Amino acid sequence: EVQLLESGGGLVQPGGSPRVSCAASGFTFSSYAMTWVRQAPGKGLEWVSVISASGDKTYYADSVKGRFTISRDNSKNTVYLQMNSLRAEDTAVYYCAKDKSDCSGGSCYSLDYWGQGTLVTVSS
Amino acid sequence: DIQLTQSPSSLSASVGDRVTITCRASQGTSNYLAWYQQKPGKVPKLLIYAASILQSGVPSRFSGSGSATDFTLTISSLQPEDVATYYCQKYNNAPFTFGPGTKVDIK
Repeated sequence: EVQLLESGGGLVQPGGSPRVSCAASGFTFSSYAMTWVRQAPGKGLEWVSVISASGDKTYYADSVKGRFTISRDNSKNTVYLQMNSLRAEDTAVYYCAKDKSDCSGGSCYSLDYWGQGTLVTVSS
Repeated sequence: DIQLTQSPSSLSASVGDRVTITCRASQGTSNYLAWYQQKPGKVPKLLIYAASILQSGVPSRFSGSGSATDFTLTISSLQPEDVATYYCQKYNNAPFTFGPGTKVDIK
């Protein structure tokens, strides 16, 4: 059974730099791209970032480019999102999701498993 | 960047009705389009990928069609458990944008 478990959320001050993690199990982690999607309270889904299966390709939404960094450790079956210079508008539930492909060619193939999400609240 | 719009933004229909939601891309995405369902308070769930392929385990009353810039999600016979917000997503190239969502409820 595929399981994705996010952690690392919580209350963060503006300008803070938390790192959220997503521990995966139930599939061959190193064969699939992983994505972070966020959802602000009462709002829609916002795609944030994706990392290819091997970790050599990463892509970001313009809203987080230069502030967030996605990475993965295939030996630990874990994907990370390092968030820097947080703003109030970054407040959201952050979901990690498994792609159906490795995204090695720049195209991906949709998100077939999602974690339960971790809430990051940016407030002083 | 390619933008996605969805219409309508919300709809109310009766049980058993046929429901159609449209997703339009500002540029062609080939068939690199997925549909997700998010029930209130729940995690999003993949319904359709590659514009028309039903994800395993999804009821056959859901179907997808379209290509390039115009896509539709159809629920052939709306059920009470289909109350949710539905999102399209393009994934041909980054950014892998989601549409704004369509909220479906029962009349």
